[in-house]
Amino acid sequence: GAVVSQHPSWVICKSGTSVKIECRSLDFQATTMFWYRQFPKQSLMLMATSNEGSKATYEQGVEKDKFLINHASLTLSTLTVTSAHPEDSSFYICSARRTAANTGELFFGEGSRLTVL
Amino acid sequence: GESVGLHLPTLSVQEGDNSIINCAYSNSASDYFIWYKQESGKGPQFIIDIRSNMDKRQGQRVTVLLNKTVKHLSLQIAATQPGDSAVYFCAENEYGNKLVFGAGTILRVKS
Repeated sequence: GAVVSQHPSWVICKSGTSVKIECRSLDFQATTMFWYRQFPKQSLMLMATSNEGSKATYEQGVEKDKFLINHASLTLSTLTVTSAHPEDSSFYICSARRTAANTGELFFGEGSRLTVL
Repeated sequence: GESVGLHLPTLSVQEGDNSIINCAYSNSASDYFIWYKQESGKGPQFIIDIRSNMDKRQGQRVTVLLNKTVKHLSLQIAATQPGDSAVYFCAENEYGNKLVFGAGTILRVKS
């Protein structure tokens, strides 16, 4: 089956620093990737839709200057949390949809847990 | 619809019993629905899906029912096992675009 890999799986950083999380589709090309954030005991909240070669589309209330998304190739999207603060501590999950497959099934990464001290 | 970020309800069932997990969705334009299972510290795992032109779909030990009239989905798990303990989310796909997750339900299986 399709595999989506995230790295790092967990990261601890100091307040004010920036953290980059990578999302890779390992055995398929993904024109579209999605970034979610999940707080403890809550659902996944869609942050943004990342399209290869174009700007990401952010959901209402998500600061595009704080959560920088880059989708430079068909197999890699990155999320950079800039000037991270403790309230940004969360579980960040990416998902990818196969190229030319206009179905809803997404393949999810295992998530990246960010802790900001 | 968008998850409201509420704390998750819990369903406790006895091992071997059937489980029914419910979900309400908000967007009548959604054309595709998926149930995911999420174990602690992991990403969501696909369970079963259903398109809006169907009202029932069966998998191995799982059945998804879709009632478009009241915008309701349910996931039925037969002969629930301890390994089924997890958080279950429904998700709706809005016109092949983005996938939006429902609030989720914690399933606890008692041995």
